[in-house]
Amino acid sequence: DAGVTQSPTHLIKTRGQQVTLRCSPKSGHDTVSWYQQALGQGPQFIFQYYEEEERQRGNFPDRFSGHQFPNYSSELNVNALLLGDSALYLCASSTRGWYQETQYFGPGTRLLVL
Amino acid sequence: AQSVTQLDSHVSVSEGTPVLLRCNYSSSYSPSLFWYVQHPNKGLQLLLKYTSAATLVKGINGFEAEFKKSETSFHLTKPSAHMSDAAEYFCVVSDLSNTGKLIFGQGTTLQVKP
Repeated sequence: DAGVTQSPTHLIKTRGQQVTLRCSPKSGHDTVSWYQQALGQGPQFIFQYYEEEERQRGNFPDRFSGHQFPNYSSELNVNALLLGDSALYLCASSTRGWYQETQYFGPGTRLLVL
Repeated sequence: AQSVTQLDSHVSVSEGTPVLLRCNYSSSYSPSLFWYVQHPNKGLQLLLKYTSAATLVKGINGFEAEFKKSETSFHLTKPSAHMSDAAEYFCVVSDLSNTGKLIFGQGTTLQVKP
């Protein structure tokens, strides 16, 4: 059983560019959450997708957007990249339901903005 | 609002000695609490979770944590450290008002000396 997978593993962009990160959830999971982990920090919640809609959102600007596909996979898009967007982006999958559901994380995509 | 505080940013132990990683939480309600581990250049792996069933929670790789409501603590312990335990550990609480959101502590780096 494949766990959560993310692509690409690493990415280098320049300021002002746009980036798309991809995530495939664990088999049987229908919900995808995205987190940003800056160097030396704990992950910060960006948003969560379920039934192809954004259900919850953290304190991130509209430059951060996402999408979920019918097969439950998801994309994270970041527009107008800033140097401060350099971070590890983590995807987590779970089943929709009570808050006690465990989120399983992928290995992450490391984004460097120059 | 829920929050977690990890009391030590860095803990160093010798191989074979006990491990104690400290975490205090803040929550208006009975929280769901988790410990995740992150090895270098890896994603987050769930060690254990507390969901009000039993105050002493056993996890993987010999780790366990005890939920103490009176002390608002959820400390992680292991009787005997292995070299492979060296990693970043995160204490996490589930946001009751935002069911998709996990709130992470700042992390504790565990160093294991031979």
